[in-house]
Formats: sequence, structure tokens, C-alpha cells
Amino acid sequence: EAEVAQSPRYKITEKSQAVAFWCDPISGHATLYWYRQILGQGPELLVQFQDESVVDDSQLPKDRFSAERLKGVDSTLKIQPAELGDSAMYLCASSSVQADSYNEQFFGPGTRLTVL
Amino acid sequence: GDSVTQMEGPVTLSEEACLTINCTYTATGYPSLFWYVQYPGEVLQLLLKATKADDKGSNKGFEATYRKETTSFHLEKGSVQVSDSAVYFCALRHTDKLIFGTGTRLQVFP
Repeated sequence: EAEVAQSPRYKITEKSQAVAFWCDPISGHATLYWYRQILGQGPELLVQFQDESVVDDSQLPKDRFSAERLKGVDSTLKIQPAELGDSAMYLCASSSVQADSYNEQFFGPGTRLTVL
Repeated sequence: GDSVTQMEGPVTLSEEACLTINCTYTATGYPSLFWYVQYPGEVLQLLLKATKADDKGSNKGFEATYRKETTSFHLEKGSVQVSDSAVYFCALRHTDKLIFGTGTRLQVFP
């Protein structure tokens, strides 16, 4: 069964350091999403890609976060510099473009970031 | 802006008890509504959905009805099992963006 892959699964870093997370969506899925999930809360969308183009990054803190999907397949989310408040689970999801209006999002296992 | 409010957990039940997890939403227009579930050690996954008013989504014995008049989408199951222990998230979709509630942890004991 196809799955969304993410790495690393866990990352511990010190504040002011740079961190990067990688996501490989389900093959053929044109849409890719990065979410942040703070402990005790639901996932919150950070950025959405359609192929290699950013569709929505309105909630991405652009002073320190960046995301890219250069070839429209896998994606990298970077934080530089990391702050204590960035400690969270970072989830990647993907969906295909379907003829109807509903595109189910399939989630990866996430990267748990701890900033010390 | 759009938002989802769901009951706080944890919800603790004995096996075969009835379950209701309340979810209400605020949105412009007519969003689609979802319940996602995260079982221990597993990824977040879709449980059920409803795309228009009065639709009933169902899966694995769970049901939820899209109530436009009360802006609600409560999750129900008549008889829970230990294997239903998980965190349940209510969500709405407007355009292509999912907005999640805070999640409700369900613990079912034998």
C-alpha cells in the first residue's frame, strides 16, 4: 500500500540551529501539504504545493521557515533559526487531483521536533 | 475565520458503551466535513466524511450526520471496542484547505 514517507522521524536541536525535514508523497500525487501539530492541538496547514508551485503559504512564518518542491515530487521544509516555540510534530500529506471536488489527503508519520 | 470546536477529552468508556464526540463548526459557505482518526503508533487517517447538508458519513461502525441548522457533525458509535481507542479529529474543508479541531482522545477499557 502506498504511503507518504517522512524523515527524520525525530529531531532534537538547539535553538538558533537550522533543521530540515523531508517528505516523499504517494507516487502520482500532485498536491503536497506541510502541517504543524503542537501537542494537544490539531494539525495546522503551513504550506500547500500543487506540483512545484506554492498554492497557499499564508500561515508559514516566512522569516524563518522555507519550503520547496523543486521537481514537483518530494519536498523539504526548513527552519532557520529554530526557536523553542517550534517544538511540534511536522506532518506531510499528499493528495491526487481527482475529477470530483473531493481529494482525500493521506498523511505521513510526521517528524517530531524538539528545540532545546 | 473558519474554525472547528470539539469536545475535550479524554473520553473514557467501557467496551460496548455508546459513544458521542461533539463537533461544531464555523464557516462561510458550505464546507465539507470530516472525521480523522489517529490510532496509537499509526498515521492520521480519514475515518468518514460528508460533503453536504444532511449527508451521513459512516465507516467501521462510526457515523456522523452533517447538520447545517446546528452547524454540527457529531461522531457516534453504538458499541465501542478496545480497538477504537485513538485520538479523533473533526475537520472542515473550505476550498482545498483542511481545518482541524483540537482532537479528542478516546480510551476504551475491557
